[in-house]
Amino acid sequence: DVKVTQSSRYLVKRTGEKVFLECVQDMDHENMFWYRQDPGLGLRLIYFSYDVKMKEKGDIPEGYSVSREKKERFSLILESASTNQTSMYLCASLLRAAWPANYGYTFGSGTRLTVV
Amino acid sequence: QKEVEQNSGPLSVPEGAIASLNCTYSDRGSQSFFWYRQYSGKSPELIMFIYSNGDKEDGRFTAQLNKASQYVSLLIRDSQPSDSATYLCAVYKDGNNRKLIWGLGTSLAVNP
Repeated sequence: DVKVTQSSRYLVKRTGEKVFLECVQDMDHENMFWYRQDPGLGLRLIYFSYDVKMKEKGDIPEGYSVSREKKERFSLILESASTNQTSMYLCASLLRAAWPANYGYTFGSGTRLTVV
Repeated sequence: QKEVEQNSGPLSVPEGAIASLNCTYSDRGSQSFFWYRQYSGKSPELIMFIYSNGDKEDGRFTAQLNKASQYVSLLIRDSQPSDSATYLCAVYKDGNNRKLIWGLGTSLAVNP
């Protein structure tokens, strides 16, 4: 089974801190995504990457950046954390060759970030 | 108008009944449709995928797609309390670099 691992399940950071959220997948997937999920707002795409060093902005990129130096790892960076970035952050990946077959996205278990 | 719309619920059904979850989409160019289940505090997991008009069955789950009317539905037969979760509908259009468009989800409660 494909595994997508997010480094932290819960994280508490202070306003103004630089925050790194890590996501690693173990099945050579090309596409990786970062979402945040908030009650009533659903899943919102922050950034995605379709190859090493390639990235595209999603719907809400402001205040975030990403890094993909290796195929298996996609990092989300909060440049200066603010309280409105308190949220559940979800990483996902997919294998392009299998799309749009039954595989869909594989999600990590999520990181619950609280900014105080 | 949202691109993908779902009733937020909660939809409440008794154990053993059929739960019917609906999703409408606005873009006629949409090609592939996914249903994900998300338990509280957990991440979404794929349960069904459909791209052809008609029905697709997998165990107790049936996905129904009607492209002319722009809706996709999910039926859960013999509902169990363990089916209580939020069900997310997601839609894909070719050329969108494999980005899904997500509905906000429908909360389902199956009562014993």
